[in-house]
Amino acid sequence: DGGITQSPKYLFRKEGQNVTLSCEQNLNHDAMYWYRQDPGQGLRLIYYSQIVNDFQKGDIAEGYSVSREKKESFPLTVTSAQKNPTAFYLCASSIQAGKETQYFGPGTRLLVL
Amino acid sequence: AQSVAQPEDQVNVAEGNPLTVKCTYSVSGNPYLFWYVQYPNRGLQFLLKYITGDNLVKGSYGFEAEFNKSQTSFHLKKPSALVSDSALYFCAVREGDGNKLVFGAGTILRVKS
Repeated sequence: DGGITQSPKYLFRKEGQNVTLSCEQNLNHDAMYWYRQDPGQGLRLIYYSQIVNDFQKGDIAEGYSVSREKKESFPLTVTSAQKNPTAFYLCASSIQAGKETQYFGPGTRLLVL
Repeated sequence: AQSVAQPEDQVNVAEGNPLTVKCTYSVSGNPYLFWYVQYPNRGLQFLLKYITGDNLVKGSYGFEAEFNKSQTSFHLKKPSALVSDSALYFCAVREGDGNKLVFGAGTILRVKS
């Protein structure tokens, strides 16, 4: 069954803690993306990767980090520098970066304790 | 820079009536336009896209959208609404061969029986 999986579904972060959100795809897509969704603001791009071992900052990269060591995996770390991390985080992938359709995972909701 | 506007926070329609969810965009080159739907606490599902060609695009679940270059609009339509169409709808635009997808703030569609 092909698709994009994100884990965990819910994640709780304590003050000063780094947390990592998982995103895996078995669609053989080259490009992967991380978005943050806040109520009434639509989706904002955090980071994207066009190919393995390469990634670029999006519009709101501060306080986040990523890696792309494998084609199928694009984990996002929310660092302690991100002062307002509570949001719904969505991972997406596309065959290539550019005009191809992006397909989304089910999302991870991050809450601060 | 590209941008997307969804002028209505919420659209209410009776079941069986036609529905329209509005979207206008701003890009400096040729636009690639997308519609996605999101159900509560879920990821985004792709509905349809316009890249080039026929201005009327047909997509999933009976939805269609009309690209209007002179009005820079890409409104989502359905001839007969279903209660199950109730969800959050996002319009998005990519500028030419750029890598970024810019989303509107979203429109809540409520279909009442």
